[in-house]
Amino acid sequence: EVQLVESGGGLVEPGGSLRLSCAASGFTFSNAYMSWVRQAPGKGLEWVARIKKLTEGGTIHYAAPVKGRFTISRDDSKSTVYLQMNSLQTDDTAVYYCTGGTYWGQGILVTVSS
Amino acid sequence: QAVVTQEPSLTVSPGGTVTLTCVSSTGAVTGGHYPYWFQQKPGQAPRPLIYDTNKRYSWTPARFSGSLLGGKAALTLSGAQPEDEADYYCFLSYTDARVFGGGTKLTVL
Repeated sequence: EVQLVESGGGLVEPGGSLRLSCAASGFTFSNAYMSWVRQAPGKGLEWVARIKKLTEGGTIHYAAPVKGRFTISRDDSKSTVYLQMNSLQTDDTAVYYCTGGTYWGQGILVTVSS
Repeated sequence: QAVVTQEPSLTVSPGGTVTLTCVSSTGAVTGGHYPYWFQQKPGQAPRPLIYDTNKRYSWTPARFSGSLLGGKAALTLSGAQPEDEADYYCFLSYTDARVFGGGTKLTVL
């Protein structure tokens, strides 16, 4: 059974940092492009970042609103993808989904508030 | 960054047909944008329905079909069922970014 399990979310003050993790199982993680997608409360989906598989150079792309503040990375030995989020702002508040190919996690809530 | 636009809401009668569209601010949507369509129901993670314009997943009901229509990506639902009431998002690939449309809230009524 395929599983993507996000962790690391929670409440953080504006300007703070969080690191999200997404542990994958049930498929060949090293062959997957992995992405983060977020959804602010009551809003639509927003693509955040993607990292290609390492055999394709692990190329990374970011959405404009997070470029320079967020960093996506992967550890294929742990079948885990990460999202380091710095300089968090109130409009980063959202459910963050980890996704790889057709597979999606259930999402984790990040709340940025003082 | 490109902006992708969808109809905010649409209504279809049970058994009816409806087409949702997806417009790119950069110009015509083509197969090179590898259009995806996702369905999301309240409280659930999104579920992919269509990839590469018109390819269904094994779990995608045959009543859903994807296409390119007049420079737009399109999702057509033929024979709507009550369980198809959901939010639908298109997703386009660009050179160095990926972009979701704003979503269409589909009501089956």
